[in-house]
Amino acid sequence: DVVMTQSSDSLAVSLGERATISCKSSQNLLYSSNNRNYLAWYQQKPGQSPKLLIYWASTRESGVPDRFSGSGSGTDFTLTISSLQAEDVALYYCQQYYSTPPTFGGGTRVEIK
Amino acid sequence: EVRLVESGGGLVQPGGSLRLSCAASGFTFSSYWMSWVRQAPGKGLEWVGNIKSDGSEKYYVDSVKGRFTISRDNAKNSLYLQVNSLRVEDTAIYYCTRDLFASSNTVVDNWGQGTLVTVSS
Repeated sequence: DVVMTQSSDSLAVSLGERATISCKSSQNLLYSSNNRNYLAWYQQKPGQSPKLLIYWASTRESGVPDRFSGSGSGTDFTLTISSLQAEDVALYYCQQYYSTPPTFGGGTRVEIK
Repeated sequence: EVRLVESGGGLVQPGGSLRLSCAASGFTFSSYWMSWVRQAPGKGLEWVGNIKSDGSEKYYVDSVKGRFTISRDNAKNSLYLQVNSLRVEDTAIYYCTRDLFASSNTVVDNWGQGTLVTVSS
């Protein structure tokens, strides 16, 4: 199975500042035939179900604010929140869907500094 | 509005069984792959398995193969997870989820609120 590693369990960022969350995969997630990275990001607020933010490593789901962006390719990926808002306090998970079973990273908790 | 409502969770002894159900509404259920994803208390997310829109293909994570069975009834807009031979480590919130893509490559674009399964003696 592909192992997804989020190096930071948590990070604290001031309101309005940039938050950067990293995710590494044990295998390449770039499919050469379509040049797409099979990587998604989810947000889980306390007491809620997760919510899809980004797929194909950088495509925002409908309705997701544009302060959320995804980048990276191959085995190294980043979720960036350009200007942290109070409502962004949450756990963030990366997930690969290149191969079955799809696997998630351990999650990174974003808090307000 | 997409709505996924799970039911059937509860407290069960090790070795026991449960049948989880998910009532779907707000979309054409028969057109979508569906998955179950679980989350142990205070832990991360684990994909359990999924099922093709017509029920003809099913995939499972190794840890549940032979014990869990996913099924669906498109006439009733319902998804099911039969969980047998339960272990303490199966304790989790089980989420019914809709897959974004019409393939086995799972990206979840909608989640239910989950149903808690507790395995304990």
